[in-house]
Amino acid sequence: EAQVTQNPRYLITVTGKKLTVTCSQNMNHEYMSWYRQDPGLGLRQIYYSMNVEVTDKGDVPEGYKVSRKEKRNFPLILESPSPNQTSLYFCASSLFRGLYNEQFFGPGTRLTVL
Amino acid sequence: DAKTTQPNSMESNEEEPVHLPCNHSTISGTDYIHWYRQLPSQGPEYVIHGLTSNVNNRMASLAIAEDRKSSTLILHRATLRDAAVYYCILFNTDKLIFGTGTRLQVFP
Repeated sequence: EAQVTQNPRYLITVTGKKLTVTCSQNMNHEYMSWYRQDPGLGLRQIYYSMNVEVTDKGDVPEGYKVSRKEKRNFPLILESPSPNQTSLYFCASSLFRGLYNEQFFGPGTRLTVL
Repeated sequence: DAKTTQPNSMESNEEEPVHLPCNHSTISGTDYIHWYRQLPSQGPEYVIHGLTSNVNNRMASLAIAEDRKSSTLILHRATLRDAAVYYCILFNTDKLIFGTGTRLQVFP
Protein backbone atom coordinates (compact mmCIF):
# COMPACT_ATOMS: atom_id res chain seq x y z
CA GLU A 1 0.00 0.00 0.00
CA ALA A 2 1.31 3.43 -0.97
CA GLN A 3 1.73 5.47 2.15
CA VAL A 4 3.65 7.93 4.27
CA THR A 5 4.49 6.64 7.73
CA GLN A 6 5.58 8.58 10.78
CA ASN A 7 7.00 7.44 14.09
CA PRO A 8 6.26 7.87 16.84
CA ARG A 9 2.60 8.81 16.61
CA TYR A 10 2.61 10.27 20.12
CA LEU A 11 5.52 11.59 22.15
CA ILE A 12 5.80 13.35 25.47
CA THR A 13 9.24 14.70 26.31
CA VAL A 14 10.97 17.32 28.41
CA THR A 15 12.63 20.57 27.47
CA GLY A 16 16.10 20.14 26.01
CA LYS A 17 16.00 16.40 25.35
CA LYS A 18 16.90 15.81 21.71
CA LEU A 19 14.39 13.86 19.69
CA THR A 20 13.84 12.65 16.15
CA VAL A 21 10.55 12.06 14.39
CA THR A 22 10.95 9.71 11.45
CA CYS A 23 9.11 9.93 8.15
CA SER A 24 9.20 7.37 5.39
CA GLN A 25 7.40 7.03 2.07
CA ASN A 26 7.25 4.02 -0.24
CA MET A 27 6.16 5.80 -3.42
CA ASN A 28 9.60 6.82 -4.72
CA HIS A 29 8.61 10.46 -4.33
CA GLU A 30 11.25 13.12 -4.81
CA TYR A 31 9.58 15.88 -2.77
CA MET A 32 9.06 15.64 0.97
CA SER A 33 8.14 18.21 3.59
CA TRP A 34 7.27 18.72 7.23
CA TYR A 35 4.36 20.76 8.59
CA ARG A 36 3.17 21.64 12.05
CA GLN A 37 -0.46 22.24 12.89
CA ASP A 38 -1.55 24.48 15.73
CA PRO A 39 -5.06 25.61 16.72
CA GLY A 40 -6.03 28.82 14.96
CA LEU A 41 -2.87 28.82 12.83
CA GLY A 42 -3.58 25.98 10.45
CA LEU A 43 -0.70 24.03 8.91
CA ARG A 44 2.64 25.73 8.47
CA GLN A 45 5.59 24.34 6.59
CA ILE A 46 8.79 23.73 8.56
CA TYR A 47 11.23 22.33 6.00
CA TYR A 48 11.05 20.70 2.62
CA SER A 49 13.30 18.64 0.39
CA MET A 50 13.21 18.46 -3.37
CA ASN A 51 15.50 15.44 -3.57
CA VAL A 52 18.27 13.57 -1.79
CA GLU A 53 20.70 15.95 -0.09
CA VAL A 54 18.58 18.97 -1.07
CA THR A 55 16.67 20.66 1.76
CA ASP A 56 15.30 24.14 2.30
CA LYS A 57 13.53 26.16 4.97
CA GLY A 58 9.81 26.61 5.04
CA ASP A 59 7.91 29.24 6.99
CA VAL A 60 8.79 28.17 10.54
CA PRO A 61 12.21 26.41 10.53
CA GLU A 62 13.58 27.78 13.81
CA GLY A 63 14.42 25.04 16.29
CA TYR A 64 14.25 22.22 13.74
CA LYS A 65 16.70 20.33 11.57
CA VAL A 66 16.13 17.85 8.78
CA SER A 67 18.22 15.55 6.62
CA ARG A 68 17.59 13.69 3.39
CA LYS A 69 20.23 11.01 2.96
CA GLU A 70 17.90 8.56 1.26
CA LYS A 71 14.99 9.23 -1.03
CA ARG A 72 12.44 7.47 1.13
CA ASN A 73 13.31 9.01 4.52
CA PHE A 74 13.06 12.56 5.81
CA PRO A 75 13.54 12.74 9.60
CA LEU A 76 12.69 15.83 11.62
CA ILE A 77 15.17 16.57 14.40
CA LEU A 78 14.56 18.76 17.44
CA GLU A 79 17.99 19.30 18.99
CA SER A 80 16.70 21.07 22.10
CA PRO A 81 12.90 20.95 22.22
CA SER A 82 11.00 23.72 23.94
CA PRO A 83 7.34 23.92 25.06
CA ASN A 84 6.46 26.15 22.08
CA GLN A 85 7.23 23.17 19.85
CA THR A 86 4.31 21.29 21.32
CA SER A 87 2.23 20.64 18.23
CA LEU A 88 0.83 18.13 15.76
CA TYR A 89 3.38 17.35 13.06
CA PHE A 90 2.73 16.03 9.57
CA CYS A 91 5.12 14.70 7.00
CA ALA A 92 4.11 14.82 3.34
CA SER A 93 5.49 13.69 0.02
CA SER A 94 4.77 14.17 -3.67
CA LEU A 95 6.16 12.77 -6.86
CA PHE A 96 7.95 15.95 -7.83
CA ARG A 97 8.07 19.52 -6.65
CA GLY A 98 5.61 21.84 -8.18
CA LEU A 99 2.14 22.72 -9.06
CA TYR A 100 0.74 19.55 -10.52
CA ASN A 101 1.37 17.02 -7.87
CA GLU A 102 -0.85 16.13 -4.99
CA GLN A 103 0.86 15.77 -1.66
CA PHE A 104 0.34 12.65 0.40
CA PHE A 105 0.31 13.22 4.14
CA GLY A 106 1.27 10.92 6.96
CA PRO A 107 -1.00 10.25 9.95
CA GLY A 108 0.64 12.84 12.18
CA THR A 109 2.81 12.89 15.29
CA ARG A 110 1.47 14.59 18.38
CA LEU A 111 4.39 16.02 20.35
CA THR A 112 4.17 17.45 23.84
CA VAL A 113 7.21 19.20 25.32
CA LEU A 114 6.99 19.75 29.06
CA ASP B 1 1.84 34.96 -0.60
CA ALA B 2 -1.68 35.17 -1.94
CA LYS B 3 -4.35 34.38 0.64
CA THR B 4 -7.69 32.65 0.58
CA THR B 5 -10.84 33.39 2.57
CA GLN B 6 -13.30 30.68 3.51
CA PRO B 7 -16.29 30.52 5.84
CA ASN B 8 -15.41 29.01 9.20
CA SER B 9 -18.13 26.39 9.06
CA MET B 10 -20.94 24.99 6.94
CA GLU B 11 -23.62 22.38 7.41
CA SER B 12 -25.26 19.92 5.08
CA ASN B 13 -27.62 17.01 5.18
CA GLU B 14 -26.56 13.64 3.92
CA GLU B 15 -27.07 13.04 0.19
CA GLU B 16 -27.49 16.73 -0.55
CA PRO B 17 -25.03 18.72 -2.67
CA VAL B 18 -22.57 20.97 -0.87
CA HIS B 19 -20.98 24.09 -2.31
CA LEU B 20 -17.91 25.25 -0.40
CA PRO B 21 -16.84 28.77 -1.42
CA CYS B 22 -13.37 30.28 -1.45
CA ASN B 23 -12.34 33.85 -2.19
CA HIS B 24 -8.85 34.57 -3.51
CA SER B 25 -8.99 38.12 -4.84
CA THR B 26 -5.17 38.50 -4.90
CA ILE B 27 -4.58 35.42 -7.03
CA SER B 28 -1.86 35.73 -9.65
CA GLY B 29 -1.91 34.31 -13.13
CA THR B 30 0.32 31.38 -12.23
CA ASP B 31 -1.40 30.36 -9.00
CA TYR B 32 -3.07 26.98 -9.03
CA ILE B 33 -6.11 26.49 -6.80
CA HIS B 34 -5.84 23.35 -4.69
CA TRP B 35 -8.32 21.84 -2.28
CA TYR B 36 -7.41 19.49 0.54
CA ARG B 37 -9.53 18.13 3.32
CA GLN B 38 -8.67 16.85 6.77
CA LEU B 39 -10.82 14.20 8.35
CA PRO B 40 -10.83 14.02 12.15
CA SER B 41 -7.55 12.69 13.56
CA GLN B 42 -5.99 12.29 10.11
CA GLY B 43 -3.54 14.10 7.88
CA PRO B 44 -4.79 16.30 5.05
CA GLU B 45 -5.97 14.55 1.93
CA TYR B 46 -5.83 15.91 -1.62
CA VAL B 47 -9.22 16.58 -3.18
CA ILE B 48 -8.80 18.46 -6.45
CA HIS B 49 -6.95 21.28 -8.15
CA GLY B 50 -7.32 23.57 -11.16
CA LEU B 51 -5.99 26.65 -12.89
CA THR B 52 -8.70 28.22 -15.03
CA SER B 53 -11.17 25.61 -16.24
CA ASN B 54 -13.65 23.74 -14.13
CA VAL B 55 -12.41 20.32 -13.06
CA ASN B 56 -14.10 17.07 -12.10
CA ASN B 57 -12.77 13.96 -10.43
CA ARG B 58 -14.21 11.04 -8.51
CA MET B 59 -14.30 13.00 -5.28
CA ALA B 60 -15.61 16.42 -6.27
CA SER B 61 -15.92 19.21 -8.81
CA LEU B 62 -14.12 22.52 -8.80
CA ALA B 63 -15.82 25.55 -10.32
CA ILE B 64 -13.50 28.51 -10.95
CA ALA B 65 -14.87 31.98 -11.59
CA GLU B 66 -13.99 33.57 -14.90
CA ASP B 67 -11.87 36.24 -13.18
CA ARG B 68 -10.33 33.54 -10.94
CA LYS B 69 -10.96 35.61 -7.83
CA SER B 70 -13.14 32.90 -6.36
CA SER B 71 -13.80 29.20 -6.63
CA THR B 72 -16.28 26.65 -5.32
CA LEU B 73 -15.71 23.06 -4.33
CA ILE B 74 -18.77 20.98 -5.06
CA LEU B 75 -19.54 17.71 -3.33
CA HIS B 76 -22.39 16.30 -5.35
CA ARG B 77 -23.90 14.10 -2.65
CA ALA B 78 -22.54 14.61 0.84
CA THR B 79 -21.98 11.56 3.00
CA LEU B 80 -21.18 11.35 6.69
CA ARG B 81 -17.62 10.52 5.70
CA ASP B 82 -17.31 13.94 4.04
CA ALA B 83 -17.42 15.67 7.43
CA ALA B 84 -14.01 17.33 7.57
CA VAL B 85 -12.15 20.62 7.40
CA TYR B 86 -11.77 21.72 3.78
CA TYR B 87 -8.82 23.89 2.81
CA CYS B 88 -8.63 26.08 -0.27
CA ILE B 89 -5.01 26.80 -1.12
CA LEU B 90 -3.20 28.82 -3.76
CA PHE B 91 -0.10 27.03 -4.93
CA ASN B 92 2.60 28.54 -7.11
CA THR B 93 5.83 27.70 -5.40
CA ASP B 94 7.17 24.65 -3.66
CA LYS B 95 4.86 24.85 -0.71
CA LEU B 96 1.24 24.68 0.23
CA ILE B 97 0.03 27.52 2.43
CA PHE B 98 -2.95 26.38 4.41
CA GLY B 99 -5.50 28.78 5.86
CA THR B 100 -7.88 27.80 8.63
CA GLY B 101 -10.38 26.16 6.28
CA THR B 102 -14.12 25.43 6.44
CA ARG B 103 -15.41 22.86 8.87
CA LEU B 104 -18.17 20.91 7.14
CA GLN B 105 -20.75 19.14 9.27
CA VAL B 106 -22.95 16.51 7.63
CA PHE B 107 -26.17 15.46 9.31
CA PRO B 108 -27.96 12.15 8.71
